[in-house]
Amino acid sequence: SAVISQKPSRDICQRGTSLTIQCQVDSQVTMMFWYRQQPGQSLTLIATANQGSEATYESGFVIDKFPISRPNLTFSTLTVSNMSPEDSSIYLCSVERSSGVGEQYFGPGTRLTVT
Amino acid sequence: GENVEQHPSTLSVQEGDSAVIKCTYSDSASNYFPWYKQELGKRPQLIIDIRSNVGEKKDQRIAVTLNKTAKHFSLHITETQPEDSAVYFCAARFTGGGNKLTFGTGTQLKVEL
Repeated sequence: SAVISQKPSRDICQRGTSLTIQCQVDSQVTMMFWYRQQPGQSLTLIATANQGSEATYESGFVIDKFPISRPNLTFSTLTVSNMSPEDSSIYLCSVERSSGVGEQYFGPGTRLTVT
Repeated sequence: GENVEQHPSTLSVQEGDSAVIKCTYSDSASNYFPWYKQELGKRPQLIIDIRSNVGEKKDQRIAVTLNKTAKHFSLHITETQPEDSAVYFCAARFTGGGNKLTFGTGTQLKVEL
């Protein structure tokens, strides 16, 4: 499996501000995804990060709120914009080495608290 | 879109007993079914998966079975140990979904001494 790191691991932010989360993989991967996991809940896909093009967002998530970048095959960022307390959650990136293989591996997550 | 239901939401077993967690999915075109284990404060870890062309897969004390006709799959853990205590998530990927996984709601497994 790939070695995946995320920065920051946790943060406490003021409402109305923005936070950018980084996801770095130790090898090139085809697919990168961003998930949200609220306390005690399951994993909800925010978007698929596409290399060299705009991310593909799931229903209920929009680019203005969660802009995503993926400049190359090993790195992606997720920004949580204009934060409110409802954005308090764990944000996880995941990767799939080759499209169609199916095995997805998760990063360690970023625990975000908005006050 | 795909919908995945998972039962039970909580499961308590005695050490050494077996545990079974069941999931059903809605899209008959789904072709890949992974299971993740998430310990408290940790990332979800892929523990076993099965593809639609296989009915059963086993890895030491864990096994997964798939019934495509009924559209359900199950995780079986035998000889449970305290370190098996965690939240387990099933997921399904359907071919028209762009490699997206849809996750079940999770099962909190507690193995008691």
